[in-house]
Amino acid sequence: AQSVTQPDIHITVSEGASLELRCNYSYGATPYLFWYVQSPGQGLQLLLKYFSGDTLVQGIKGFEAEFKRSQSSFNLRKPSVHWSDAAEYFCAVGAWAAGNKLTFGGGTRVLVKP
Amino acid sequence: EAQVTQNPRYLITVTGKKLTVTCSQNMNHEYMSWYRQDPGLGLRQIYYSMNVEVTDKGDVPEGYKVSRKEKRNFPLILESPSPNQTSLYFCASSWDHSNTGELFFGEGSRLTVL
Repeated sequence: AQSVTQPDIHITVSEGASLELRCNYSYGATPYLFWYVQSPGQGLQLLLKYFSGDTLVQGIKGFEAEFKRSQSSFNLRKPSVHWSDAAEYFCAVGAWAAGNKLTFGGGTRVLVKP
Repeated sequence: EAQVTQNPRYLITVTGKKLTVTCSQNMNHEYMSWYRQDPGLGLRQIYYSMNVEVTDKGDVPEGYKVSRKEKRNFPLILESPSPNQTSLYFCASSWDHSNTGELFFGEGSRLTVL
């Protein structure tokens, strides 16, 4: 069975600083990987996804993520954080053979200091 | 506007009183799913449906029922709610079950069982 670990529960970053959120996954086959963002009181919105090809994936809102098979990681990055990026971020691995189950990590809450 | 709509958004109930959380999508999606979100655990899949009249258990189905009589609707039923079902619930949908597409989430339903 697949699993996802997000080692950082909380991250505080200053506005304008760079941000990196870590994600490690466990899956026996080639993974489908996703990052979702959840703003307070809202549902989840897809930031980006990786299926195959270029291991550096660009997403919305200036985010990017890099797939590293050797490290089983899919870390999310943003060069310069805006106050509106304060939210909870979820990494997920997809297993369509198991009924399109997205297995989510526990989430990382990002706080942005002015 | 393309969306997944859940109702109610907030509900406080008592142990044993049956309740239904409705979910409707207007995107003609085949696939629909329910998740619950608990602190530190991320989102866990309760049930999913690949198409009308086809449903299956996710990771945490105990205490829940679903039905898919129409393509657009996928209600979540708690026949006899218990306090451990206090959680934030999300309905999601996508075009199919292949995981190559995006999951669209509703805004969530916060349920408290006393």
